[in-house]
Amino acid sequence: GDSVTQMEGPVTLSEEAFLTINCTYTATGYPSLFWYVQYPGEGLQLLLKATKADDKGSNKGFEATYRKETTSFHLEKGSVQVSDSAVYFCALSVGTGKLIFGQGTTLQVKP
Amino acid sequence: GAGVSQTPSNKVTEKGKYVELRCDPISGHTALYWYRQSLGQGPEFLIYFQGTGAADDSGLPNDRFFAVRPEGSVSTLKIQRTERGDSAVYLCASSLITTSTDTQYFGPGTRLTVL
Repeated sequence: GDSVTQMEGPVTLSEEAFLTINCTYTATGYPSLFWYVQYPGEGLQLLLKATKADDKGSNKGFEATYRKETTSFHLEKGSVQVSDSAVYFCALSVGTGKLIFGQGTTLQVKP
Repeated sequence: GAGVSQTPSNKVTEKGKYVELRCDPISGHTALYWYRQSLGQGPEFLIYFQGTGAADDSGLPNDRFFAVRPEGSVSTLKIQRTERGDSAVYLCASSLITTSTDTQYFGPGTRLTVL
Protein backbone atom coordinates (compact mmCIF):
# COMPACT_ATOMS: atom_id res chain seq x y z
CA GLY A 1 0.00 0.00 0.00
CA ASP A 2 0.87 3.67 -0.13
CA SER A 3 3.28 4.86 2.56
CA VAL A 4 5.65 7.64 3.63
CA THR A 5 8.94 7.25 5.47
CA GLN A 6 10.68 10.16 7.20
CA MET A 7 14.03 10.40 8.87
CA GLU A 8 13.82 9.86 12.59
CA GLY A 9 14.28 12.74 14.97
CA PRO A 10 14.84 14.70 16.93
CA VAL A 11 17.00 16.86 14.73
CA THR A 12 18.90 19.46 16.74
CA LEU A 13 20.56 22.38 14.97
CA SER A 14 22.07 25.70 15.85
CA GLU A 15 20.47 28.85 14.52
CA GLU A 16 21.45 29.64 10.90
CA ALA A 17 22.40 26.04 10.18
CA PHE A 18 21.27 24.24 7.02
CA LEU A 19 18.34 21.87 7.39
CA THR A 20 17.44 18.71 5.51
CA ILE A 21 14.66 16.35 6.54
CA ASN A 22 14.48 13.29 4.32
CA CYS A 23 11.19 11.91 3.06
CA THR A 24 10.59 9.00 0.70
CA TYR A 25 7.32 7.54 -0.44
CA THR A 26 5.69 4.50 -2.00
CA ALA A 27 2.57 5.03 -4.08
CA THR A 28 0.66 3.02 -6.66
CA GLY A 29 -0.62 6.08 -8.52
CA TYR A 30 0.65 9.61 -9.09
CA PRO A 31 0.59 11.28 -5.70
CA SER A 32 0.64 14.87 -4.63
CA LEU A 33 3.20 15.49 -1.91
CA PHE A 34 2.95 17.75 1.12
CA TRP A 35 4.89 18.99 4.10
CA TYR A 36 2.80 19.91 7.13
CA VAL A 37 4.17 21.55 10.27
CA GLN A 38 2.93 21.48 13.84
CA TYR A 39 4.28 24.25 16.05
CA PRO A 40 4.15 23.76 19.83
CA GLY A 41 0.59 24.11 21.07
CA GLU A 42 -0.83 24.63 17.58
CA GLY A 43 -2.63 22.56 14.97
CA LEU A 44 -1.27 21.06 11.78
CA GLN A 45 -0.77 23.55 8.99
CA LEU A 46 0.36 23.18 5.42
CA LEU A 47 3.93 24.30 4.84
CA LEU A 48 4.28 23.52 1.13
CA LYS A 49 3.15 21.12 -1.56
CA ALA A 50 4.00 19.79 -5.02
CA THR A 51 1.50 18.10 -7.27
CA LYS A 52 3.61 16.64 -10.07
CA ALA A 53 7.11 15.38 -10.76
CA ASP A 54 9.90 18.00 -10.74
CA ASP A 55 7.65 20.61 -9.12
CA LYS A 56 9.26 22.59 -6.31
CA GLY A 57 7.14 23.71 -3.38
CA SER A 58 8.37 26.62 -1.30
CA ASN A 59 7.22 28.71 1.65
CA LYS A 60 8.85 30.66 4.50
CA GLY A 61 12.32 29.82 3.18
CA PHE A 62 11.59 26.08 3.08
CA GLU A 63 11.78 24.15 -0.19
CA ALA A 64 11.10 20.62 -1.37
CA THR A 65 11.34 19.13 -4.88
CA TYR A 66 9.16 16.25 -6.08
CA ARG A 67 11.62 13.63 -7.34
CA LYS A 68 9.81 10.81 -9.05
CA GLU A 69 12.98 8.93 -10.00
CA THR A 70 14.04 8.62 -6.36
CA THR A 71 10.47 8.74 -4.91
CA SER A 72 11.60 11.51 -2.57
CA PHE A 73 10.42 14.90 -1.31
CA HIS A 74 13.16 16.12 1.02
CA LEU A 75 12.57 19.32 2.98
CA GLU A 76 15.37 21.91 3.03
CA LYS A 77 16.03 25.34 4.50
CA GLY A 78 19.22 27.29 4.11
CA SER A 79 19.24 29.01 7.50
CA VAL A 80 16.98 27.86 10.32
CA GLN A 81 15.68 30.05 13.12
CA VAL A 82 14.63 29.24 16.66
CA SER A 83 11.04 29.88 15.55
CA ASP A 84 11.28 26.94 13.12
CA SER A 85 11.31 24.51 16.05
CA ALA A 86 8.35 22.24 15.44
CA VAL A 87 7.30 18.77 14.26
CA TYR A 88 7.37 18.33 10.48
CA PHE A 89 5.23 15.75 8.68
CA CYS A 90 5.66 14.56 5.12
CA ALA A 91 2.46 13.30 3.50
CA LEU A 92 1.09 12.06 0.20
CA SER A 93 -2.34 12.06 -1.37
CA VAL A 94 -3.62 9.97 -4.24
CA GLY A 95 -7.01 10.15 -5.87
CA THR A 96 -9.65 11.12 -3.34
CA GLY A 97 -7.49 13.39 -1.25
CA LYS A 98 -7.03 11.40 1.92
CA LEU A 99 -3.59 12.06 3.32
CA ILE A 100 -1.07 9.41 4.29
CA PHE A 101 1.48 10.81 6.74
CA GLY A 102 4.96 9.90 7.82
CA GLN A 103 5.68 9.53 11.52
CA GLY A 104 6.94 13.12 11.89
CA THR A 105 10.35 14.62 12.58
CA THR A 106 10.95 16.92 15.54
CA LEU A 107 13.24 19.86 14.85
CA GLN A 108 14.88 21.73 17.71
CA VAL A 109 16.80 24.91 16.85
CA LYS A 110 19.05 26.33 19.55
CA PRO A 111 20.15 29.96 19.69
CA GLY B 1 -12.38 33.84 8.06
CA ALA B 2 -12.92 31.18 10.71
CA GLY B 3 -10.91 28.01 10.51
CA VAL B 4 -11.87 24.45 11.35
CA SER B 5 -13.10 24.14 14.91
CA GLN B 6 -13.43 21.04 17.07
CA THR B 7 -15.20 20.45 20.34
CA PRO B 8 -14.46 19.52 23.00
CA SER B 9 -10.75 20.24 23.06
CA ASN B 10 -10.28 17.58 25.72
CA LYS B 11 -12.45 14.62 26.67
CA VAL B 12 -11.78 12.22 29.51
CA THR B 13 -14.04 9.20 29.74
CA GLU B 14 -14.15 5.78 31.31
CA LYS B 15 -13.70 2.51 29.50
CA GLY B 16 -16.97 1.32 28.05
CA LYS B 17 -18.58 4.75 27.73
CA TYR B 18 -19.89 6.43 24.58
CA VAL B 19 -18.36 9.66 23.25
CA GLU B 20 -19.13 12.15 20.50
CA LEU B 21 -16.58 14.46 18.94
CA ARG B 22 -17.70 17.41 16.86
CA CYS B 23 -16.12 19.15 13.88
CA ASP B 24 -17.14 22.45 12.27
CA PRO B 25 -15.43 22.79 8.88
CA ILE B 26 -14.59 25.96 7.03
CA SER B 27 -17.73 27.39 5.49
CA GLY B 28 -18.19 26.26 1.91
CA HIS B 29 -15.83 23.31 2.12
CA THR B 30 -17.51 20.23 0.71
CA ALA B 31 -14.92 17.69 1.82
CA LEU B 32 -14.38 16.74 5.46
CA TYR B 33 -11.82 14.29 6.82
CA TRP B 34 -11.25 12.64 10.19
CA TYR B 35 -7.81 11.45 11.32
CA ARG B 36 -6.45 9.97 14.52
CA GLN B 37 -3.02 10.80 15.89
CA SER B 38 -1.39 8.68 18.56
CA LEU B 39 1.51 10.01 20.60
CA GLY B 40 4.69 10.30 18.55
CA GLN B 41 2.99 9.23 15.32
CA GLY B 42 1.66 10.91 12.23
CA PRO B 43 -2.10 11.26 11.75
CA GLU B 44 -3.91 8.19 10.41
CA PHE B 45 -6.90 8.51 8.11
CA LEU B 46 -10.27 7.36 9.45
CA ILE B 47 -13.04 8.56 7.13
CA TYR B 48 -13.95 11.28 4.69
CA PHE B 49 -17.17 12.88 3.53
CA GLN B 50 -18.04 14.46 0.23
CA GLY B 51 -21.12 16.47 1.11
CA THR B 52 -23.38 14.40 3.35
CA GLY B 53 -22.16 10.98 2.33
CA ALA B 54 -19.22 9.01 3.67
CA ALA B 55 -17.20 8.43 0.51
CA ASP B 56 -14.44 6.38 2.15
CA ASP B 57 -14.61 4.87 5.63
CA SER B 58 -11.81 2.37 5.12
CA GLY B 59 -9.76 3.80 7.99
CA LEU B 60 -12.33 3.23 10.73
CA PRO B 61 -10.71 0.60 12.99
CA ASN B 62 -13.90 -1.33 13.81
CA ASP B 63 -17.67 -1.03 14.07
CA ARG B 64 -17.46 0.88 17.37
CA PHE B 65 -16.55 3.93 15.32
CA PHE B 66 -19.13 5.80 13.29
CA ALA B 67 -19.34 9.30 11.80
CA VAL B 68 -22.12 11.40 10.34
CA ARG B 69 -22.49 14.65 8.47
CA PRO B 70 -26.25 15.01 8.05
CA GLU B 71 -26.41 18.48 6.49
CA GLY B 72 -23.10 18.52 4.70
CA SER B 73 -21.44 20.84 7.16
CA VAL B 74 -20.87 19.83 10.82
CA SER B 75 -19.68 16.29 11.40
CA THR B 76 -19.76 14.11 14.50
CA LEU B 77 -17.45 11.19 15.17
CA LYS B 78 -19.07 8.68 17.51
CA ILE B 79 -17.24 6.02 19.48
CA GLN B 80 -19.15 3.31 21.33
CA ARG B 81 -17.84 1.17 24.20
CA THR B 82 -14.59 3.09 24.37
CA GLU B 83 -11.36 1.23 25.07
CA ARG B 84 -8.07 2.48 26.47
CA GLY B 85 -6.51 1.99 23.04
CA ASP B 86 -8.86 4.64 21.64
CA SER B 87 -6.93 7.32 23.54
CA ALA B 88 -5.46 9.71 20.94
CA VAL B 89 -5.90 13.12 19.40
CA TYR B 90 -8.73 13.12 16.88
CA LEU B 91 -8.20 15.61 14.07
CA CYS B 92 -10.68 16.99 11.61
CA ALA B 93 -9.77 18.65 8.33
CA SER B 94 -11.74 20.22 5.51
CA SER B 95 -11.01 21.15 1.92
CA LEU B 96 -12.87 22.87 -0.85
CA ILE B 97 -13.11 19.73 -2.97
CA THR B 98 -11.86 16.15 -2.80
CA THR B 99 -8.87 15.86 -5.04
CA SER B 100 -5.32 14.82 -4.31
CA THR B 101 -4.05 18.34 -5.02
CA ASP B 102 -6.36 20.29 -2.75
CA THR B 103 -5.11 21.66 0.55
CA GLN B 104 -6.66 20.30 3.73
CA TYR B 105 -7.08 22.69 6.66
CA PHE B 106 -6.86 21.09 10.06
CA GLY B 107 -8.63 21.86 13.29
CA PRO B 108 -6.85 21.93 16.67
CA GLY B 109 -8.00 18.41 17.53
CA THR B 110 -9.83 16.72 20.38
CA ARG B 111 -7.63 14.91 22.88
CA LEU B 112 -9.51 11.80 24.02
CA THR B 113 -8.36 9.98 27.13
CA VAL B 114 -10.00 6.70 28.06
CA LEU B 115 -9.33 5.65 31.64
